[in-house]
Amino acid sequence: EAQVTQNPRYLITVTGKKLTVTCSQNMNHEYMSWYRQDPGLGLRQIYYSMNVEVTDKGDVPEGYKVSRKEKRNFPLILESPSPNQTSLYFCASSLSGTEQYFGPGTRLTVT
Amino acid sequence: EDQVTQSPEALRLQEGESSSLNCSYTVSGLRGLFWYRQDPGKGPEFLFTLYSAGEEKEKERLKATLTKKESFLHITAPKPEDSATYLCAVLGSSNTGKLIFGQGTTLQVKP
Repeated sequence: EAQVTQNPRYLITVTGKKLTVTCSQNMNHEYMSWYRQDPGLGLRQIYYSMNVEVTDKGDVPEGYKVSRKEKRNFPLILESPSPNQTSLYFCASSLSGTEQYFGPGTRLTVT
Repeated sequence: EDQVTQSPEALRLQEGESSSLNCSYTVSGLRGLFWYRQDPGKGPEFLFTLYSAGEEKEKERLKATLTKKESFLHITAPKPEDSATYLCAVLGSSNTGKLIFGQGTTLQVKP
C-alpha cells in the first residue's frame, strides 16, 4: 500500500530535550516536505526537499532541522524544543512537488 | 503574495441538501489548485487537482471547478459521512513545492 508514515504519532516532551520525528514514504517520491498545523494559522511549510541531499527552508524553519540522506526518509529534528513548537506536524511527499500526499500526523506537546 | 481564502468557515447541511464551498486565491503563476479532505486528528486526504480555468473534476458526490480567481467544491446530496474539513491549496510558480493552504471549511451534515 502506497503511504507516508510518521513516528511517533503522539509525543509529550520537555523544553530543551532533543527529539526526532521520522517520516518515510514507499512511493519513490523525489519531493518531501514538513508542515505544521495550528488553530487559526492553518498548514504552514517548515522545510522541503526536492531530492536526496537537497533541502531548503519553508515559511517557518526556525527551531527545526531536516536531513535527506535517503530518498524514502525525511526526519524532522528539534534540537531544543520550546513550548511554541507544540503543534500537529505533517509530512508530505510528491512525485514532482504538485500533488502531495500527507502522513497521519504527529501531535507534539512541549511543556 | 500568494493567498488563499475559503468561505464559509463552517457549514451545516441536512442530509441531501446540496451546497458549494468557495476558495478564492491570488497566486503568481498557478501550477495547480488542490482540494483535500481532513478528518479530525488525521492527515489531509487528496481529492482533486485543477490546473486551468474551466477545468472540472468529479468524484462521487463532489465536483470541483476552477476559474481564474476562485474554485468551488460542489457537494450534491451530501451524506453524514461527508462531514469533514475541506482544505483548498494552491501551488505557485516558485520552485519550492510549497502549498499555500486556506483555513478550511468545516462541513457538518446532519442525518
